Amino acid sequence: QKEVEQNSGPLSVPEGAIASLNCTYSDRVSQSFFWYRQYSGKSPELIMSIYSNGDKEDGRFTAQLNKASQYVSLLIRDSQPSDSATYLCATHPKYGNKLVFGAGTILRVKS
Amino acid sequence: EAGVVQSPRYKIIEKKQPVAFWCNPISGHNTLYWYLQNLGQGPELLIRYENEEAVDDSQLPKDRFSAERLKGVDSTLKIQPAELGDSAVYLCASSSTAGTGELFFGEGSRLTVL
Repeated sequence: QKEVEQNSGPLSVPEGAIASLNCTYSDRVSQSFFWYRQYSGKSPELIMSIYSNGDKEDGRFTAQLNKASQYVSLLIRDSQPSDSATYLCATHPKYGNKLVFGAGTILRVKS
Repeated sequence: EAGVVQSPRYKIIEKKQPVAFWCNPISGHNTLYWYLQNLGQGPELLIRYENEEAVDDSQLPKDRFSAERLKGVDSTLKIQPAELGDSAVYLCASSSTAGTGELFFGEGSRLTVL
């Protein structure tokens, strides 16, 4: 079982819709969670971090964490073509400082 | 403020040749990481430095890979000899504090081994 699992996609949504990206993790003691955005040919860029159960909103982005279900998601409201990228979920275990990435979900926003 | 700087951006070599990648982290960032990213995969940690000390190199293939971070600033990752399977993007990242997941990545060095 992979430590961090994501649907590879591609997830296609029309412009203006809500894009929902999901991630599950296997390490029950993971304490912090991150979403990175990676445009084609570019390096990952941190867009959201979440540390406690519930929702965290930042502009059009909302991260949701459910530690009991070992599930973290990213919602992108009013999706724009410029949101088209690969979204990487990453977890940071409580013990050890190794950030573990999922394989990423490709998002395509169609105008 | 300058970001993480890596060079070269692209490198094409024949198998069995050596190659080296250089990274300059964000000023003041004591933690430096080298990640490997294959196409369609997420980054995988090769080595993490806290200042000059390599504190996690468990995923570094030590028979052919080596890294150093002299003076706790710039770092170099070397592969000798390179194999076909080493073709990938080598990402350098830095962070201001140890144990954070908030990393700043450089543009990466894309290696092609022929």
